Amino acid sequence: QITLKESGPTLVKPTQTLTLTCTFSGFSLSTSGVGVGWIRQPPGKAVEWLALIYWDDDKRYSPSLKSRLTITKDTSKDQVVLTMTNMDPVDTATYYCAHRSLRDLQSWFDPWGQGTLVTVSS
Amino acid sequence: DIQMTQSPSSLSASVGDRVTITCRASQSISRYLNWYQQKPGRAPNLLIYAASSLQSGVPSRFSGSGSGTDFTLTISSLQPEDFATYYCEQSYSILTFGGGTKVEIK
Repeated sequence: QITLKESGPTLVKPTQTLTLTCTFSGFSLSTSGVGVGWIRQPPGKAVEWLALIYWDDDKRYSPSLKSRLTITKDTSKDQVVLTMTNMDPVDTATYYCAHRSLRDLQSWFDPWGQGTLVTVSS
Repeated sequence: DIQMTQSPSSLSASVGDRVTITCRASQSISRYLNWYQQKPGRAPNLLIYAASSLQSGVPSRFSGSGSGTDFTLTISSLQPEDFATYYCEQSYSILTFGGGTKVEIK
């Protein structure tokens, strides 16, 4: 059974850097075809993809946020870390991590973590 | 970036209704299209991948179709537990999600 759980601060100040950790179990991020992604959802709004890292360390970022994001993996700890710099109140959202499967060029997120609400306020 | 436009943004339906949600891509994405269901306060859940493949454990009343730029998610007979928001996602290039369709009780 695959599970993922997000952890990190619930409150950050404007201009600070956010660091979120996704701790997972039930799979290895060294297995071919496996990835972990981050997705966020502002209150009452749609989901937005942020970043994705694959087993081979291939990293992908949302073009609109690429300059602010860094995604890394620690295979030995079964963790993926997302950092987002220069936080702003508009970045207030629930942040999810999710398992990504890659098969025959198709890919999808399943399952997702429970999410963690991050509020940006002074 | 490829833009994904869902329609309608919301709809009201009754239990037992057939419901169709549309997702349109700004350019051809072949069949690189996934559908997710999100209930209030919960994380999204995968329903359909690769446009029409039903994820394991998902009821057969859900189906997906389409290719190129136009895709549909159909719920053949709406059940009480299906009232939720539905999102499409394209995986042809840099990932993007649609704006969501909220299915409400009529």
